[in-house]
Amino acid sequence: RKEVEQDPGPFNVPEGATVAFNCTYSNSASQSFFWYRQDCRKEPKLLMSVYSSGNEDGRFTAQLNRASQYISLLIRDSKLSDSATYLCVVNLRTGSSASKIIFGSGTRLSIRP
Amino acid sequence: NAGVTQTPKFQVLKTGQSMTLQCAQDMNHNSMYWYRQDPGMGLRLIYYSASEGTTDKGEVPNGYNVSRLNKREFSLRLESAAPSQTSVYFCASKTGYEQYFGPGTRLTVT
Repeated sequence: RKEVEQDPGPFNVPEGATVAFNCTYSNSASQSFFWYRQDCRKEPKLLMSVYSSGNEDGRFTAQLNRASQYISLLIRDSKLSDSATYLCVVNLRTGSSASKIIFGSGTRLSIRP
Repeated sequence: NAGVTQTPKFQVLKTGQSMTLQCAQDMNHNSMYWYRQDPGMGLRLIYYSASEGTTDKGEVPNGYNVSRLNKREFSLRLESAAPSQTSVYFCASKTGYEQYFGPGTRLTVT
């Protein structure tokens, strides 16, 4: 089983729709969680961190469910510019001062006019 | 402030050739990383450097070597390139929990 799993998609939704992705992680000792965005043929960039209490940034909402070991990303009122691959990232503490960053393979989102 | 820069952007090698991928960051970050990204596999860590003077293996280190030349620069060397090393290579540096990535090097080994 992969340490971080995502549905690869593609999700193809009309502009203005609401779309949600989930990501599951296997190690319950995982400490911190993030969503990165990667545009085609570009580098990944941090979209938002994910907190236990959930957090919102404009049209984007991220949630963490530690009991079920998944994180989610909700995009409301989707725009053409939201078309990208969304990477789920988990930071796992491996020692007193060491940690391991694990990337999911990404979910591809395509917004159509 | 250029962030993380990588050279070259594109490279084609023949099997058995060697080359060094260069990475530099101007954000004064201690930690730097080299990843490869292949279709359907996500980013896989090759090597990382927690601070100047230290390097450690990641998930897929075979066939690669690294040098942390100073705090700014972290290079990745392929001593004898193989077709399996055809990939996109990203360098990153980190502060706190956020990683900043360079624009990537697209390497093809024929």
